Amino acid sequence: DTGVSQNPRHKITKRGQNVTFRCDPISEHNRLYWYRQTLGQGPEFLTYFQNEAQLEKSRLLSDRFSAERPKGSFSTLEIQRTEQGDSAMYLCASSRTVGTEAFFGQGTRLTVV
Amino acid sequence: AQTVTQSQPEMSVQEAETVTLSCTYDTSESDYYLFWYKQPPSRQMILVIRQEAYKQQNATENRFSVNFQKAAKSFSLKISDSQLGDAAMYFCAYRSGNSGYSTLTFGKGTMLLVSP
Repeated sequence: DTGVSQNPRHKITKRGQNVTFRCDPISEHNRLYWYRQTLGQGPEFLTYFQNEAQLEKSRLLSDRFSAERPKGSFSTLEIQRTEQGDSAMYLCASSRTVGTEAFFGQGTRLTVV
Repeated sequence: AQTVTQSQPEMSVQEAETVTLSCTYDTSESDYYLFWYKQPPSRQMILVIRQEAYKQQNATENRFSVNFQKAAKSFSLKISDSQLGDAAMYFCAYRSGNSGYSTLTFGKGTMLLVSP
């Protein structure tokens, strides 16, 4: 096991296009988190899953954002009709259970032009 | 809502010297966890050290130690014998002890520069 994997590492898209990111957590981890990090800021929570259930969503997660975790394994984060303000690093993390350490992936850097 | 404040955007230290990064937080909870994460350029964030609020003893991990002042809501990170590989962005983070809330709240980060 090599840790949390995110793909792609970089994505450049035109405003108005849809994009989808993928996160593969550490295999035995049932909790999966998405965070967004903009330049000069710390990561901000977007949403998290316990197994396949999406348990919490931040108000940062507008209607254009949707996340899924089918079968409680990998997760996808889709942004529809991208805007320049969506440009950020999107981080995924996973943990075994509540209260245990969260391991982060390397992130997907999105640039909307 | 909890907030985490890191007032030092950037800190510099020479190799082998000691540096302290500051963090304050605001919460009304009594049960919580505090963390320091390291994020090297273009690399993933890794956990440096964690502190449980109910523990009075300050956490230590090799060259890294914390000064946890619960009453003052302060959680500073001390790096001893600094190495070039310590250069990175450091984030202070808070997590509720409530089992229903396991997400992290981060500060804005402190960029640590290490010079030979």
